[in-house]
Amino acid sequence: AQSVTQLDSQVPVFEEAPVELRCNYSSSVSVYLFWYVQYPNQGLQLLLKYLSGSTLVKGINGFEAEFNKSQTSFHLRKPSVHISDTAEYFCAVSGLHGGSEKLVFGKGTKLTVNP
Amino acid sequence: DVKVTQSSRYLVKRTGEKVFLECVQDMDHENMFWYRQDPGLGLRLIYFSYDVKMKEKGDIPEGYSVSREKKERFSLILESASTNQTSMYLCASSLYGGGIYEQYFGPGTRLTVT
Repeated sequence: AQSVTQLDSQVPVFEEAPVELRCNYSSSVSVYLFWYVQYPNQGLQLLLKYLSGSTLVKGINGFEAEFNKSQTSFHLRKPSVHISDTAEYFCAVSGLHGGSEKLVFGKGTKLTVNP
Repeated sequence: DVKVTQSSRYLVKRTGEKVFLECVQDMDHENMFWYRQDPGLGLRLIYFSYDVKMKEKGDIPEGYSVSREKKERFSLILESASTNQTSMYLCASSLYGGGIYEQYFGPGTRLTVT
């Protein structure tokens, strides 16, 4: 069965520090990859996505992610975080079994940015 | 802006009650989804719909049913609520395939079954 693994359930960092949230997936076929963010008491919103082309994808709020096919990873990075980046981040994948109708989500990483 | 609204932010129901969760989107999207979100488990897909009156089971459909009579509205039904259905329920919509096109989420309904 397909799966998405987010390696850290919680990541605490200080403001203005860099951060990397890790995501690995299991698949031997082409995939589409996404990062969604959920701010407190809100629904999810799309940060960025990789469908094809350049393996470095830039998203909103200064985030970027790199697709690494050989390592089956799609890690999310930001060079300098703000207090307002405190949220839960979800990695998601589709197309694992040829279907493009739905996503499989990871269990989430809670990012806490401290002053 | 796409807007996905859910009928309640908080809901408290008793075991055995029939529960309806309503979701409405205003952007003429083809696909709609119901997820359940639990701490440490992420989001799990309950059901999705790719057209009016069409539905497909997700990963955890047991104990749930859905209805999509109009394009903009997708309802989740708990026929006989149980305490293990206490959770946050998120509705989402996407223009077409939710695995390629962005999914837009509602704010969620926190359901407590006592």
